[in-house]
Amino acid sequence: DQQVKQNSPSLSVQEGRISILNCDYTNSMFDYFLWYKKYPAEGPTFLISISSIKDKNEDGRFTVFLNKSAKHLSLHIVPSQPGDSAVYFCAAISGTSGTYKYIFGTGTRLKVLA
Amino acid sequence: DAGITQSPRHKVTETGTPVTLRCHQTENHRYMYWYRQDPGHGLRLIHYSYGVKDTDKGEVSDGYSVSRSKTEDFLLTLESATSSQTSVYFCAISSPGTGNTEAFFGQGTRLTVV
Repeated sequence: DQQVKQNSPSLSVQEGRISILNCDYTNSMFDYFLWYKKYPAEGPTFLISISSIKDKNEDGRFTVFLNKSAKHLSLHIVPSQPGDSAVYFCAAISGTSGTYKYIFGTGTRLKVLA
Repeated sequence: DAGITQSPRHKVTETGTPVTLRCHQTENHRYMYWYRQDPGHGLRLIHYSYGVKDTDKGEVSDGYSVSRSKTEDFLLTLESATSSQTSVYFCAISSPGTGNTEAFFGQGTRLTVV
């Protein structure tokens, strides 16, 4: 049962335009969400996060939006650059059992075309 | 880097043999995690540890065991390797619940079971 879902396996965007990556979750008890970027043959690296008490968080070209009622979050990259081409994972922190686990989606491969 | 090292980085082993992967950290994070990454499945949690000798199962724990005898090291053992365990394995460290929510990942171990 996939608690965190990324329904778009891939996305292509022209350089300079906006990239929008989407993520849905099923567990309303998740209270923190993160986005990671992964290049081939490297480990995932943290990009940006958002607490469930907020609906937006910005860091430079990256903005994450959270819609709790829809159980949906999105990552906006503006403007997109060729170096942004990577696989992006969204993740949620589950702490309902008293310990903390990071639950990841299946990833979206972003290709930014020069 | 976040002071996390995985070894070995690559391994080829035969079906039925035991295999141990090591994750070592120098950051004194309380939590350590083992994930596997497979096409179409994203990052799936195998086991995690929330303290020395404190471990719990993730979503794909069958065929794997772990041990954490000291803060710095988290070992993942495949008791009898199978071809379905061919994957890329990532270790992660974090201290969730302290205000620092991001997890830091190692470079990964590519395991091939033949």
